[in-house]
Amino acid sequence: AQSVTQLDSQVPVFEEAPVELRCNYSSSVSVYLFWYVQYPNQGLQLLLKYLSGSTLVKGINGFEAEFNKSQTSFHLRKPSVHISDTAEYFCAVTVGGGKLIFGQGTELSVKP
Amino acid sequence: DTEVTQTPKHLVMGMTNKKSLKCEQHMGHRAMYWYKQKAKKPPELMFVYSYEKLSINESVPSRFSPECPNSSLLNLHLHALQPEDSALYLCASSPLGGFDQETQYFGPGTRLLVL
Repeated sequence: AQSVTQLDSQVPVFEEAPVELRCNYSSSVSVYLFWYVQYPNQGLQLLLKYLSGSTLVKGINGFEAEFNKSQTSFHLRKPSVHISDTAEYFCAVTVGGGKLIFGQGTELSVKP
Repeated sequence: DTEVTQTPKHLVMGMTNKKSLKCEQHMGHRAMYWYKQKAKKPPELMFVYSYEKLSINESVPSRFSPECPNSSLLNLHLHALQPEDSALYLCASSPLGGFDQETQYFGPGTRLLVL
């Protein structure tokens, strides 16, 4: 069964520093991978998704992710974070019928 | 209109009450979803409606009863809930009817407390 694993539950980082949030997936077939962000007391918002084609995917708010088939990874990166990036980040994969399976989430905490 | 709205924002109910959660979207999307999210956990899918028909039910207890009266509206009827059902209930929609490539657009959620 397809699944995703987020390797870090919490990532503290200083403002303007780069950040990488790690996600590994398990699948033997084609995958569609997503990164969603959840700000406190809000719903989820799509940052970016990989469907096919270029392995470097650019999203909103300066985020990007790289699909790496050989390492079964889809890590999220941002070269310089802001306080406003403090949120919970979820990696997700679809497993049929539009069913999204989420990783456990990574809490990004940006400190001044 | 590019958003999914959910009402109410907060709900407190007793274990013998009957209440309903409402979700609306006016983006012409053909699939709608209910998720349950416990504190510090990822969302878990409960139901999927595709073209107003229930397409996925993730073995959710019958005290949760979904309804899709039309393509813009999704309800979740609640009856005889347990305290462990306290959670954030998220609604989402997607354009084409529930294909794996689709982006799901989430509402802000209803925070439910069962006493």
